[in-house]
Amino acid sequence: GESVGLHLPTLSVQEGDNSIINCAYSNSASDYFIWYKQESGKGPQFIIDIRSNMDKRQGQRVTVLLNKTVKHLSLQIAATQPGDSAVYFCAEQPGANSKLTFGKGITLSVRP
Amino acid sequence: GAVVSQHPSWVICKSGTSVKIECRSLDFQATTMFWYRQFPKQSLMLMATSNEGSKATYEQGVEKDKFLINHASLTLSTLTVTSAHPEDSSFYICSARLMRGAQETQYFGPGTRLLVL
Repeated sequence: GESVGLHLPTLSVQEGDNSIINCAYSNSASDYFIWYKQESGKGPQFIIDIRSNMDKRQGQRVTVLLNKTVKHLSLQIAATQPGDSAVYFCAEQPGANSKLTFGKGITLSVRP
Repeated sequence: GAVVSQHPSWVICKSGTSVKIECRSLDFQATTMFWYRQFPKQSLMLMATSNEGSKATYEQGVEKDKFLINHASLTLSTLTVTSAHPEDSSFYICSARLMRGAQETQYFGPGTRLLVL
């Protein structure tokens, strides 16, 4: 069946470096993608989203890139801080009013 | 804005009892809310879609008679785990869909940790 998956289970980065978290999706019908951050014991927190008619979107310290040709989504975090340590999930939605499908999650660990 | 709360944040109960979890959208109205379950070190799994004023839509494999959902108002959905057993112990998370014109975003609650003894 269709699925959304992440390439790496964990990512360790040095404080101040840039982080890149990757996600592969398989549902070619998906037209909306979201990145969530989940800290331990808390609910997911919306970070940034992107629609399929775009290939890049920037927020504060974060950038999402979408490559529809290879069905790849990435989240870039600039100047990674200790507070960025969390599990990051990508999620995809095939269309309006449809369900979100979450990827497996990747743990980002920031070394001081 | 777009704050979603859950109550309680954690609950411990005996096997066989029922537990009710509330999900509220504090500063917006949500005709649609979602209930997820998350086991340790795993992703979120959608249990059901809660629709205001109508019956919930359950995902395959989720027992609707065990996980009762009521969405009685535009700001409140409840999930009742009936006759809870230890295997129901999990982290339950709700989300509420916020519509801004054609744009929709799901905002999540802080989660409720359930431990069934």
